[in-house]
Amino acid sequence: NAGVTQTPKFRILKIGQSMTLQCTQDMNHNYMYWYRQDPGMGLKLIYYSVGAGITDKGEVPNGYNVSRSTTEDFPLRLELAAPSQTSVYFCASRDSLSNEKLFFGSGTQLSVL
Amino acid sequence: GNSVTQMEGPVTLSEEAFLTINCTYTATGYPSLFWYVQYPGEGLQLLLKATKADDKGSNKGFEATYRKETTSFHLEKGSVQVSDSAVYFCALSTTGANSKLTFGKGITLSVRP
Repeated sequence: NAGVTQTPKFRILKIGQSMTLQCTQDMNHNYMYWYRQDPGMGLKLIYYSVGAGITDKGEVPNGYNVSRSTTEDFPLRLELAAPSQTSVYFCASRDSLSNEKLFFGSGTQLSVL
Repeated sequence: GNSVTQMEGPVTLSEEAFLTINCTYTATGYPSLFWYVQYPGEGLQLLLKATKADDKGSNKGFEATYRKETTSFHLEKGSVQVSDSAVYFCALSTTGANSKLTFGKGITLSVRP
């Protein structure tokens, strides 16, 4: 059971470039989340989804887009990368029947230079 | 809105020392409370949880008690090990199908032999 898989693990972008961070889960979870983690700032919610075809903004959605065409996949898109988007990105999922336990991927470390 | 406040870090302890990491929260209603742990290079994992006042969550020798009167959920361990070195996040979640976790800033614990 792979759990939540994120790719790539590391990436360096130039200002203005675009990229997609991939997230896949094999637990048939309805709820999926994207967080960014900045040093000393904890985790901030970017976007979340409660099921295929449904997405909603979190605390810090500006500069990002998401889609949820299947239960398994929840990609995060950066259209015009900016230095402020340098961060570690985590994807997470949970079973809609369980309110508490989030399963996290191992993260993507992104640098925008 | 909801918020979680953790004590400032980092914390450095010797092996077998007693650990306390403070966490207080602000929330409407009756949240569930959590401690997540992040080991180096990995995503977050649920360490323990408590869903109502006076509940005690425990796992791997760690404990935390849900104190409604002081709005606190302090993490304790009687004897830390080097393998406990990690970043610890306190979090809360309000009830409801669309509830989301609110995280504290996290605190880094280093345990030296």
